[in-house]
Amino acid sequence: DGGITQSPKYLFRKEGQNVTLSCEQNLNHDAMYWYRQDPGQGLRLIYYSQIVNDFQKGDIAEGYSVSREKKESFPLTVTSAQKNPTAFYLCASSSGTRGAGYEQFFGPGTRLTVL
Amino acid sequence: DQQVKQNSPSLSVQEGRISILNCDYTNSMFDYFLWYKKYPAEGPTFLISISSIKDKNEDGRFTVFLNKSAKHLSLHIVPSQPGDSAVYFCAASDYYQLIWGAGTKLIIKP
Repeated sequence: DGGITQSPKYLFRKEGQNVTLSCEQNLNHDAMYWYRQDPGQGLRLIYYSQIVNDFQKGDIAEGYSVSREKKESFPLTVTSAQKNPTAFYLCASSSGTRGAGYEQFFGPGTRLTVL
Repeated sequence: DQQVKQNSPSLSVQEGRISILNCDYTNSMFDYFLWYKKYPAEGPTFLISISSIKDKNEDGRFTVFLNKSAKHLSLHIVPSQPGDSAVYFCAASDYYQLIWGAGTKLIIKP
């Protein structure tokens, strides 16, 4: 049963702490993405990775870091440098080819709350 | 500068009628467009897409129309059902990225 899993579903963090959000996919997709969604807003791209050991900053990368050591995994670390980390975080993947490959498949999301 | 715009934050439609969601874009190099549906606290799910070489694509109750000269696309849902109540996002492909609109909240009234 192929798909994308994100864990945990809900995450609470104290101010000043780093926290890592997990994203795993078994779709054999090359490309993976992290988005942030705030209330009443669209999806904003944080980081994306087209292949293993390579990733690029998106529109709002400041205060975040990622790694892509395995094709299946693309963890996101929210660092203490992120000024307003409370948000809903979404991970996605795509085959990365043209045409239908642009379709991104999403995980269920992680809601991060900073206390 | 928003390259993909959904100018209606919300839309209310009677059950059984047609829902029309609109999306405008500025970059003429976009070659593929997608519509996603999202429920609260869940990830978006893919609905339907269209290549820039086409002007229409149908899938069941969902039809997407593309007007390249106007840089405009629309999603038609006929007939609208209560389960269609959700936020709908329009996205355009920019090589390996998708550029997203802000979404339109569709409310289907019984």
